[in-house]
Amino acid sequence: GQQVQQSPTSLVLQEGENAELQCNFSTSLNSMQWFYQRPGGSLVSVFYNPSGTKQSGRLTSTTVIKERRSSLHISSSQITDSGTYLCALEASMGYKLTFGTGTSLLVDP
Amino acid sequence: EAGVTQSPRYAVLQEGQAVSFWCDPISGHDTLYWYQQPRDQGPQLLVYFRDEAVIDNSQLPSDRFSAVRPKGTNSTLKIQSAKQGDTATYLCASSPGTINYAEQFFGPGTRLTVL
Repeated sequence: GQQVQQSPTSLVLQEGENAELQCNFSTSLNSMQWFYQRPGGSLVSVFYNPSGTKQSGRLTSTTVIKERRSSLHISSSQITDSGTYLCALEASMGYKLTFGTGTSLLVDP
Repeated sequence: EAGVTQSPRYAVLQEGQAVSFWCDPISGHDTLYWYQQPRDQGPQLLVYFRDEAVIDNSQLPSDRFSAVRPKGTNSTLKIQSAKQGDTATYLCASSPGTINYAEQFFGPGTRLTVL
């Protein structure tokens, strides 16, 4: 089965609303990385988060290894936050990333 | 600090033609990855190197794809005889590759269309 599952698949917000993106994984974890991607664009690393909570501006990432989950919280969403958010797992003792299927976020004015 | 660079940015081929993609990783990063990202899907690893050595190429279609990193710096990914199913964006990434820190940084990608 799929090792990394993301939810929701897509999300539509009004500008100013908050969003919570989830990533659940079924294998052991060395680290979790969150990426942002615009249509046709490259992957921009948002967080590299092996465990615990990290914050950068309006974005917060929390990884709980025991519960095999990671989340990305976006507060006070802006139109420019629209795009696809991908989580990727780096399994213990390995360096390749296994990606989730992504969450497509659209923030309307 | 310069990021990961890739060329070309776009390529359009007829089936059966060959194409090469080139990647220059971040200076000092010993680990280099090639991913394939079909439209509307997440990237999937094709091959990765530590220095010049191939660590994992189990997902690389060996009959038509090849990848090299001869001096442990730049890398080339080649498709010998392209098929329509190869249409995708090809992403190169690099990381410091240490045990405690292995964040991956991605290049802009090469978008390949096979007609």
